[in-house]
Amino acid sequence: QSALTQPASVSGSPGQSITISCTGSSSDVGFSNYVSWFQQEPGKAPKLMLYDVTNRPSGVSNRFSGSKSGNTASLTISGLQAEDEAEYYCSSFTRTSTWVFGGGTKLTVL
Amino acid sequence: QVQLVQSGAEVKKPGSSVKVSCKASGGNFNMHAISWVRQAPGQGLEWMGRIIPMLGTPIYSQNFQSRLTVTADASTSTAHMELSSLRSEDTAVYYCATGLWQNAKVGFNYYNYFSMDVWGEGTTVSVSS
Repeated sequence: QSALTQPASVSGSPGQSITISCTGSSSDVGFSNYVSWFQQEPGKAPKLMLYDVTNRPSGVSNRFSGSKSGNTASLTISGLQAEDEAEYYCSSFTRTSTWVFGGGTKLTVL
Repeated sequence: QVQLVQSGAEVKKPGSSVKVSCKASGGNFNMHAISWVRQAPGQGLEWMGRIIPMLGTPIYSQNFQSRLTVTADASTSTAHMELSSLRSEDTAVYYCATGLWQNAKVGFNYYNYFSMDVWGEGTTVSVSS
């Protein structure tokens, strides 16, 4: 199972919006709506930010939103804040009942 | 809310095995799946395998099919991950993660879908001669 493709880095200024893409195949991202996004700060465990493409767990800011078209999913963060600076990983449930992660995207808040 | 507590750091020799435990509390262990994910230094996340205690049968990533054993003990709400034939490239932080599982319909087929909502703190495994 190949890793999903994410940009290595994105950046934005406070208040702006950024979007991180996550491209897979018909066997993973395109297979179902079971796509999740995780935020990871240095030295910490990943934190679930979105699940089932668009759903936010309790406690996650509504500045985080998700979408999917075909084999590509996207995470959008609006009203960028300094605290959003972290590594972001997409992940998709696959046709073989496994999960696959993207390579990660480092978000820098300028 | 389920919480996961993992066992402590390990230092291993190449060729040996390591067993990491993950104890769950605060939820119904049998209704959850436990996944194992690792992260090598400076690298991304890699899904390794999962077990659903109620079903018993684990599923492994092809990358670990021959070296990984994942088990669960419902009596202690604890999952274990054992990786054998260790090499230096196995040096990583190993996480367990849990979420509810369901028999989900995708297209015309059903799948034992499971999520990764809550994560343990991670266990550092170092492999060095």
